[in-house]
Amino acid sequence: GNSVTQMEGPVTLSEEAFLTINCTYTATGYPSLFWYVQYPGEGLQLLLKATKADDKGSNKGFEATYRKETTSFHLEKGSVQVSDSAVYFCALSPPGGNTPLVFGKGTRLSVIA
Amino acid sequence: KAGVTQTPRYLIKTRGQQVTLSCSPISGHRSVSWYQQTPGQGLQFLFEYFSETQRNKGNFPGRFSGRQFSNSRSEMNVSTLELGDSALYLCASSLPGTGGNNEQFFGPGTRLTVL
Repeated sequence: GNSVTQMEGPVTLSEEAFLTINCTYTATGYPSLFWYVQYPGEGLQLLLKATKADDKGSNKGFEATYRKETTSFHLEKGSVQVSDSAVYFCALSPPGGNTPLVFGKGTRLSVIA
Repeated sequence: KAGVTQTPRYLIKTRGQQVTLSCSPISGHRSVSWYQQTPGQGLQFLFEYFSETQRNKGNFPGRFSGRQFSNSRSEMNVSTLELGDSALYLCASSLPGTGGNNEQFFGPGTRLTVL
């Protein structure tokens, strides 16, 4: 079946540090891949997405590249800020578009000044 | 364009009671999905409604039910509440997905506490 595995958190970084949150997936065919972010007390917001192999999604300094050969979609940011503190979820949408998103368990990021 | 709205934002109930949560999707979105979020289990899919029909269903007991109205607004109901039902319930709306690009837009959630 379809599944998403994220690195366990929490992750604590100093401001301006480099961020990587690993995400690997299992799926048949070519799913679409997403990163969502959840700030304290809020719902999930779409951060970025990629719909085919080798696509790079980017937004607000965050990037992730759809790697079919390694079935990965790692989230990176070159210089984190305190305001990036949140929970990050990797998710996939199976091919076809009419089946539910499959989420990873989330990774909590804390950035300290 | 207004985002997804959920009401109420917070709710406290006691075991055995029932509860109804409401979700209004983004205008033009016809698909509404519900998720339960808990610290232990993470995000778990409850069900999805499209054009007033349940299209997908997660692995939850029959105490969890939902419906969708002709204006795409959706409600979910939990009967005979248990302590373990305490969670953040998230609603998400989307356009009908094509080619797997099922981008979902989430509401702020309803925080349910069962005492």
